[in-house]
Amino acid sequence: EAGVTQSPTHLIKTRGQQATLRCSPISGHTSVYWYQQALGLGLQFLLWYDEGEERNRGNFPPRFSGRQFPNYSSELNVNALELEDSALYLCASSSPPENEQFFGPGTRLTVL
Amino acid sequence: SQKIEQNSEALNIQEGKTATLTCNYTNYSPAYLQWYRQDPGRGPVFLLLIRENEKEKRKERLKVTFDTTLKQSLFHITASQPADSATYLCALHSGGATNKLIFGTGTLLAVQP
Repeated sequence: EAGVTQSPTHLIKTRGQQATLRCSPISGHTSVYWYQQALGLGLQFLLWYDEGEERNRGNFPPRFSGRQFPNYSSELNVNALELEDSALYLCASSSPPENEQFFGPGTRLTVL
Repeated sequence: SQKIEQNSEALNIQEGKTATLTCNYTNYSPAYLQWYRQDPGRGPVFLLLIRENEKEKRKERLKVTFDTTLKQSLFHITASQPADSATYLCALHSGGATNKLIFGTGTLLAVQP
């Protein structure tokens, strides 16, 4: 069974640009979570999607947004990129929502 | 404010010994707690989940305890091996509609051969 996949593996952008990160959950999982892990820091919860709806979001500005598609895959968009947005962005899926989370390999975003 | 604390310094132990990692939390009443392993540049991997009404959970060489009075979880790896070297994260889950996992910053474990 395929695990959680994320694309791209690496993404390099400049300040002010927009970044789009993608995630495919494990087949049958309806919940998708996004986390930010800056260098040397812990995982910070960004967003939770379930059944196509945003269910919860962490303490991040509105320029961090996303969506979940009918096939449960998800997209994270970061607008007006800032240098401090450079981090590893991790996607996880679970089913039902309160069970353990399975993480993807992450997308390394670098903002120059 | 809510806070999760794990050993901030790296834990160095000899192969074959038992590693014990600590997770303390304040201003929080988690419905359950999870432990994950994270290798450099990779996503975390789920290890164990323990609920608030459970005192102890085991899986092979791993053991987790959960003391809601002390607000503490201990994670043990017995007969440790160099392959166990990684960062170990504890995560608290509030349960319910918020369904939010709050992660600690992790403890780096280094098992010396």
